[in-house]
Amino acid sequence: AQKITQTQPGMFVQEKEAVTLDCTYDTSDQSYGLFWYKQPSSGEMIFLIYQGSYDEQNATEGRYSLNFQKARKSANLVISASQLGDSAMYFCAMREGPGSARQLTFGSGTQLTVLP
Amino acid sequence: DSGVTQTPKHLITATGQRVTLRCSPRSGDLSVYWYQQSLDQGLQFLIQYYNGEERAKGNILERFSAQQFPDLHSELNLSSLELGDSALYFCASSVSSGSINEQYFGPGTRLTVT
Repeated sequence: AQKITQTQPGMFVQEKEAVTLDCTYDTSDQSYGLFWYKQPSSGEMIFLIYQGSYDEQNATEGRYSLNFQKARKSANLVISASQLGDSAMYFCAMREGPGSARQLTFGSGTQLTVLP
Repeated sequence: DSGVTQTPKHLITATGQRVTLRCSPRSGDLSVYWYQQSLDQGLQFLIQYYNGEERAKGNILERFSAQQFPDLHSELNLSSLELGDSALYFCASSVSSGSINEQYFGPGTRLTVT
């Protein structure tokens, strides 16, 4: 079974509008972390936001916020006031665990296009 | 700039050859991770090192190997290259192996096997 599911291969949003990118996850661990990364066409992976499984508040970083619904196992990324520079591939990832190995498992990504 | 450096940025080589990709983690980070991003497999974890020791293995082929040196830089060795090994190879680092916090990615090495 997929551990991270991103059901939107592509999304379009008008500049200055808000957009939500969906992510659901599957884990039996109590302790885990959820991450969003942005990958522009240049290829680098840019860390955006992190949510810990025990965090009671939704994470926010500037225009990014993470809508964390633990019971539904979802961790959607909300980008407010979209900008043209937000056009990129967005990956949701999970790090499980209490073990010593903490690699990330990634979803398949969502290609976001911001329209002028 | 994440603080993680990778060299070279691009690499073009022929099938059957061997290449070495290099990664320097962020200052103070002890843990290094290697990931492969290909069109058909997506982003996959290959291997993790922590303070010179291998900690975890993912979908890494036997033709691939890695190590982390005393100065904490890491190298990923890819041998007997095949066309399907063409991909973007990322190195990431984090403070500790057990930390649940973010991993910072390098800019990647784009490998093209012809």
